[in-house]
Amino acid sequence: GDSVTQMEGPVTLSEEAFLTINCTYTATGYPSLFWYVQYPGEGLQLLLKATKADDKGSNKGFEATYRKETTSFHLEKGSVQVSDSAVYFCAFTPLVFGKGTRLSVIA
Amino acid sequence: SQTIHQWPATLVQPVGSPLSLECTVEGTSNPNLYWYRQAAGRGLQLLFYSVGIGQISSEVPQNLSASRPQDRQFILSSKKLLLSDSGFYLCAWLSPSLREQFFGPGTRLTVL
Repeated sequence: GDSVTQMEGPVTLSEEAFLTINCTYTATGYPSLFWYVQYPGEGLQLLLKATKADDKGSNKGFEATYRKETTSFHLEKGSVQVSDSAVYFCAFTPLVFGKGTRLSVIA
Repeated sequence: SQTIHQWPATLVQPVGSPLSLECTVEGTSNPNLYWYRQAAGRGLQLLFYSVGIGQISSEVPQNLSASRPQDRQFILSSKKLLLSDSGFYLCAWLSPSLREQFFGPGTRLTVL
């Protein structure tokens, strides 16, 4: 069945470090792919999305490229900040979410 | 613009008590609506979704139920809460044109 697998956390990084959170998917067809972010005590917010193969979604310094050949949508950021500490979810909505990866950035 | 509200923001209930969580959406009509639960340290679990008034699909059998009495209102209920019902409950609606979901602020439920 359809599924999303993302790397398990927690991930702890120092400020200005490079971030990669891996996400792979199994789906029928070619769904739109999403990364959502959840800050402590809040609901989910859309971070970025890509609607077709080779599309790159980007927002707030984060990027992810829709790779059909590897069925992946890895999230990257070149230099993380303390304010990026949150839980990140890979998804193809509305029914399939990854389990979330908690990121902690320390100063 | 569309907004989504959830009420209450936090709730502490004893085991065996009833539950009613409300979700309302503004600025759109006939939205697809969703209830998720996020247990501590775990991902999102889809509980129910609705494509219209009176239409409810259940993803996980349990002691929770959902209703959609109005086009932009989605209710999550229970007759008798269990300890395992504790968690963070999120309501969302799906934009059919964007194919992305918009989430409410959530309700933190603690069952004691």
